[in-house]
Amino acid sequence: QVQLQESGPGLMKPSQTLSLTCTVSGGSISSDNYYWSWIRQPAGKGLEWIGRIYTTGSTSYIPSLKSRVTISLDTSRSQFSLRLTSVTAADTAFYYCARGVYASGSYYFDIWGQGTMVTVSS
Amino acid sequence: QSVLTQPPSVSGAPGQRVTISCTGSSSNIGAGSDVHWYQRLPETAPKLLIYVNNNRPSGVPGRFSGSKSGTSASLAISGLQAEDEGDYYCQSYDSSLSGWVFGGGTQLTVL
Repeated sequence: QVQLQESGPGLMKPSQTLSLTCTVSGGSISSDNYYWSWIRQPAGKGLEWIGRIYTTGSTSYIPSLKSRVTISLDTSRSQFSLRLTSVTAADTAFYYCARGVYASGSYYFDIWGQGTMVTVSS
Repeated sequence: QSVLTQPPSVSGAPGQRVTISCTGSSSNIGAGSDVHWYQRLPETAPKLLIYVNNNRPSGVPGRFSGSKSGTSASLAISGLQAEDEGDYYCQSYDSSLSGWVFGGGTQLTVL
């Protein structure tokens, strides 16, 4: 059974760079048809897809964050990571990693991590 | 402001049927993009509930069903149970944003 687990700092200061890691267990991170994504949820708001990476290293990001975000893949450690530069209070959110699957002509997220809270405060 | 619009809350008594709407636009649901639904119970990770409009993953009870028409989609839960209480989110793909978008979430309360 594939499981995802996020890890990273809980508290950050404005202008710092956020780094989160998602560890994939119980399955291969290099399998075809899977995209590895980061999704966040600010308090009181809906979910926001941040970006994804494929096993080839190909990435895609939401336009509003594209200038600040990088998602990378480490297949040797079965991990993928999120890097978000110049964080502000607006980046305070619960961050999830998720496995995206392409099936039946559509993409959806079939497995999610438990999530980790990131607070940006001076 | 989420790209997909859901009612903030719905409620129903045990055994009743409730529906949760998800309204999009011509750049997502109305453009033919499929809709998927997720359930997040208290203190748990989100779980895929319905994929590609009306398909249930293995293990999801038949009480949950989905539909899509025009620029909207709906999640129906019949035979409401106390353990269904939680948050529900719809998701689709938006061509103008070139990415996946979610609804703001609907909190389901079982009375």
